[in-house]
Amino acid sequence: GPKVLQIPSHQIIDMGQMVTLNCDPVSNHLYFYWYKQILGQQMEFLVNFYNGKVMEKSKLFKDQFSVERPDGSYFTLKIQPTALEDSAVYFCASSLGTGGAGEQYFGPGTRLTVL
Amino acid sequence: GQGVEQPAKLMSVEGTFARVNCTYSTSGFNGLSWYQQREGQAPVFLSYVVLDGLKDSGHFSTFLSRSNGYSYLLLTELQIKDSASYLCAVRDQQGGRALIFGTGTTVSVSP
Repeated sequence: GPKVLQIPSHQIIDMGQMVTLNCDPVSNHLYFYWYKQILGQQMEFLVNFYNGKVMEKSKLFKDQFSVERPDGSYFTLKIQPTALEDSAVYFCASSLGTGGAGEQYFGPGTRLTVL
Repeated sequence: GQGVEQPAKLMSVEGTFARVNCTYSTSGFNGLSWYQQREGQAPVFLSYVVLDGLKDSGHFSTFLSRSNGYSYLLLTELQIKDSASYLCAVRDQQGGRALIFGTGTTVSVSP
């Protein structure tokens, strides 16, 4: 089936540095999402993005977080500056966004470790 | 409070069945999805339900009762390869697309 790719698969950085997580969504999809999963806990919604704008965001989407998809390329999540509590696996997802179907296609995740 | 609950683990035997339960309490309801996730891999979409009743998709079936805030995923004719984590996710906002996930149920299928 359609695949969402995420680059890199692992990232280790020092606290306070900037990090950009990249997502290559399904080509004809219109809605893009980021979710955060801390080890042993449930996946939690961060943000969704449509038509160049943030549509919904959760309390976890701190001011240090930003998303963009310049010129239809990668959908990115930038964290600047990073904090220790940002260590988690970040999943990207995309969907067609038509009708009521909830089918979001997920990438394999980027494991971020902040030291 | 608002949340999605699932049992942590479920064990079953090859050739039989497994029922993964999910209960939810959300401010609204706009559909419930089930995903399968293997270690280190992307969650894979299995089913979406928004109306009450049983939806038969062959190997996987899903049931929903909105009045009880309850759903289950039924896996029949279990195979060893069905061993995975199964995630329940609810959309609580009309027109909203954010998914509220449960912690997942790890299903282990033994020979």
